[in-house]
Amino acid sequence: DAGVIQSPRHEVTEMGQEVTLRCKPISGHDYLFWYRQTMMRGLELLIYFNNNVPIDDSGMPEDRFSAKMPNASFSTLKIQPSEPRDSAVYFCASSFTGPVDTQYFGPGTRLTVL
Amino acid sequence: DAKTTQPPSMDCAEGRAANLPCNHSTISGNEYVYWYRQIHSQGPQYIIHGLKNNETNEMASLIITEDRKSSTLILPHATLRDTAVYYCIVTETSGSRLTFGEGTQLTVNP
Repeated sequence: DAGVIQSPRHEVTEMGQEVTLRCKPISGHDYLFWYRQTMMRGLELLIYFNNNVPIDDSGMPEDRFSAKMPNASFSTLKIQPSEPRDSAVYFCASSFTGPVDTQYFGPGTRLTVL
Repeated sequence: DAKTTQPPSMDCAEGRAANLPCNHSTISGNEYVYWYRQIHSQGPQYIIHGLKNNETNEMASLIITEDRKSSTLILPHATLRDTAVYYCIVTETSGSRLTFGEGTQLTVNP
């Protein structure tokens, strides 16, 4: 299994531009999570889905952020318009409901907004 | 989820056991103790979890006190590749959100 796949691995953009981050979860996993990591705030959960349905988006910082999961094998996190304070590493993770609920993380997307 | 407290940093000599403590005095009966680690520039990696019994896998051992208010993650023979931030998380299972604290920066020295 290839694990959780994220693209792009690095993204540099200018303030005001739209940014789209992509995630392919592990096949068969029914939960998908989006996290953001910064030096100031650490690793924080933004939103998570169960069976493609958003369950908790209370961590999404503001309306500029949106996430979708059109099918079980793909999710996007969009920032529009982007701001310098959005610069961070964004991680996607997936898990399978069961007695052992282990989240598997992708390699992350390092976003820099100039 | 119950709050956890970990030392900010620890050092360990290569080949020796690394014992990482975690306090979770407000843990409830249905909450598990999970350990993840994050090697620099990588995504977090699951290590081990437990409810009340001690657990062991190919990566580590988890010792949970009888009152469940604290636990210790043991890496029996630490290597340089074990240098990472180790996170102790208390949460229910079945798709529950993970709340990452600041963790313990473990540095394994040659």
